[in-house]
Amino acid sequence: GAGVSQTPSNKVTEKGKYVELRCDPISGHTALYWYRQSLGQGPEFLIYFQGTGAADDSGLPNDRFFAVRPEGSVSTLKIQRTERGDSAVYLCASSSQVPSAGELFFGEGSRLTVL
Amino acid sequence: GNSVTQMEGPVTLSEEAFLTINCTYTATGYPSLFWYVQYPGEGLQLLLKATKADDKGSNKGFEATYRKETTSFHLEKGSVQVSDSAVYFCALTKTSGSRLTFGEGTQLTVNP
Repeated sequence: GAGVSQTPSNKVTEKGKYVELRCDPISGHTALYWYRQSLGQGPEFLIYFQGTGAADDSGLPNDRFFAVRPEGSVSTLKIQRTERGDSAVYLCASSSQVPSAGELFFGEGSRLTVL
Repeated sequence: GNSVTQMEGPVTLSEEAFLTINCTYTATGYPSLFWYVQYPGEGLQLLLKATKADDKGSNKGFEATYRKETTSFHLEKGSVQVSDSAVYFCALTKTSGSRLTFGEGTQLTVNP
């Protein structure tokens, strides 16, 4: 079956603009995660959904970042008033098992560049 | 808090050489430990895992043993191939947690 799909694969925007990044998880996976990966770094946790609700959003860096998953499947990460420091690859992953020890399936990421 | 430290890269080897990528961790309790791999142009994928002390995870010729006494989970392979060229990430999650904590990654290049 299809893996985790993320769109767009690349997004270039100007400082101050609003951006939406979309994640389509593996069908049937109830858990969905967003991570951010800066150049030369490992992925950094942002938020985790179990079904429609955000079970842990403690990794969101500030209130410019917000994510939704209204029907328990597709999720959108929203970034307001983008800053150059937001430039990174945003990774989405899904899993059929929570908590821990379950395998996470990652998408290829959305590369965001803020000019 | 939880953290993972990987050996600095990049690592360049010749085909059939022995590989070790060091990984040590800091965590409360008894975390589960993972190695993820990212091949060029692809998403991160699970390579192997171990969920308790002295467990050995293995896959595709790679192995790692969960060593609680040294808080380590070093990745090894006896004979690397060109197709093993990728970035390798060590990671952990708490037994009751939901998030993975990753190391910085180690770039491996295998030359023919």
